[in-house]
Amino acid sequence: KAGVTQTPRYLIKTRGQQVTLSCSPISGHRSVSWYQQTPGQGLQFLFEYFSETQRNKGNFPGRFSGRQFSNSRSEMNVSTLELGDSALYLCASSARTGARNEQFFGPGTRLTVL
Amino acid sequence: GENVEQHPSTLSVQEGDSAVIKCTYSDSASNYFPWYKQELGKRPQLIIDIRSNVGEKKDQRIAVTLNKTAKHFSLHITETQPEDSAVYFCAASIRYGGNTGKLIFGQGTTLQVKP
Repeated sequence: KAGVTQTPRYLIKTRGQQVTLSCSPISGHRSVSWYQQTPGQGLQFLFEYFSETQRNKGNFPGRFSGRQFSNSRSEMNVSTLELGDSALYLCASSARTGARNEQFFGPGTRLTVL
Repeated sequence: GENVEQHPSTLSVQEGDSAVIKCTYSDSASNYFPWYKQELGKRPQLIIDIRSNVGEKKDQRIAVTLNKTAKHFSLHITETQPEDSAVYFCAASIRYGGNTGKLIFGQGTTLQVKP
């Protein structure tokens, strides 16, 4: 099976702009979780989507939003970018069934805000 | 709130020695504890996980132990090799129900294995 893919891999934006990141999960996986990785804060949970519904949300401002499509692909949007949003954004997919809910990560999107 | 503390933040060992990384979690409802290895510039890769109905799990040179009472879990790597050098993250989650897709991560341990 193909692994989790993310596009784009690198992105440079300026403050105040908005950005949309995309994540395609492993075939058959219905859950997509998003994480922000920074040197100072480590890996922090943003939100999870399952069957097109947001199931969990982390402690991030409302500028961070997401959605999931019927094919389980997910997008994450950040509006009014701030310098502190510079980070590696990782998505992870999971089958999310009782015995198999391991999360498999994509390569990430490196966002730089200037 | 939910929190996972991980120690040490850096660990340097000689090739062939053992390495131990320890984590403590705060949410007593957590019942799934994965460990991820992240090499420089790469994605986190799941290396081993343990569920709360098991006290220990081993996979070749890697083992994980869980003490539910103390809310501690640890990663043990034996016979370390230079290719084990990476950042290791512990995480905690609730395996069933609404919070399944939410992993709370420790801050990471940078392991250096010196040849």
